[in-house]
Amino acid sequence: SYVLTQPPSVSVAPGQTTSIACGGNNIGSKSVHWYQQKPGQAPVLVVYDDSDRPSGIPERFSGSNSGNTATLTISRVEAGDEADYYCQVWDSSSDHWVFGGGTKLTVL
Amino acid sequence: QLQLQESGPGLVKPSETLSLTCTVSGGSISSSLYYWGWMRQPPGKGLEWIGSISYSGSTYSNPSLKGRVTISLDTSKNQFSLKLSSVTAADTAVYYCARQKSGSYYSPFDYWGQGTLVTVSS
Repeated sequence: SYVLTQPPSVSVAPGQTTSIACGGNNIGSKSVHWYQQKPGQAPVLVVYDDSDRPSGIPERFSGSNSGNTATLTISRVEAGDEADYYCQVWDSSSDHWVFGGGTKLTVL
Repeated sequence: QLQLQESGPGLVKPSETLSLTCTVSGGSISSSLYYWGWMRQPPGKGLEWIGSISYSGSTYSNPSLKGRVTISLDTSKNQFSLKLSSVTAADTAVYYCARQKSGSYYSPFDYWGQGTLVTVSS
């Protein structure tokens, strides 16, 4: 089945820009969605269809997708962005949703 | 504002059936605009999709759960439900219900319930 690979952790200083990668075979041909999950809370959709933002999500969150890697970029990182981030795709070969293993973002 | 709330037993015995209900307020589950789904997250681990149901009652579920999943709609109560049979300790997790943001099975999940912890133990 389809596998999504994320780095376990990423660290960034406040005010800087960081990127979280999501690797998958020819992921560029799929629509990638990203979720933010803070401790003890439900996930929140922050980017969908590779690069669109739901209403209420700051413009600081952006996404891209090409080849074998999709990327979530957070600019001007704030302490409140500290969370786990998950990528997600629909695997049409087996008709089911696949999540990446998640990346813990630490704001230094 | 759409809200989803999971409810059900917090403790289930091994080999029994886990049953959860998601009550939706602020919107109708019978709207053709949306699909509805269940996810879970074992303690300290990542997210796993369990299955989804359409406004018309069509269902699809994670093949890894090997036919143990039943999802249904109750439009009269604006609820949808999950049943997971033959549970083991590996099914211990926080279970979330969620809405898919458009009327297609491949649309992402834009509204989530707060989650409910289900522990499988004798």
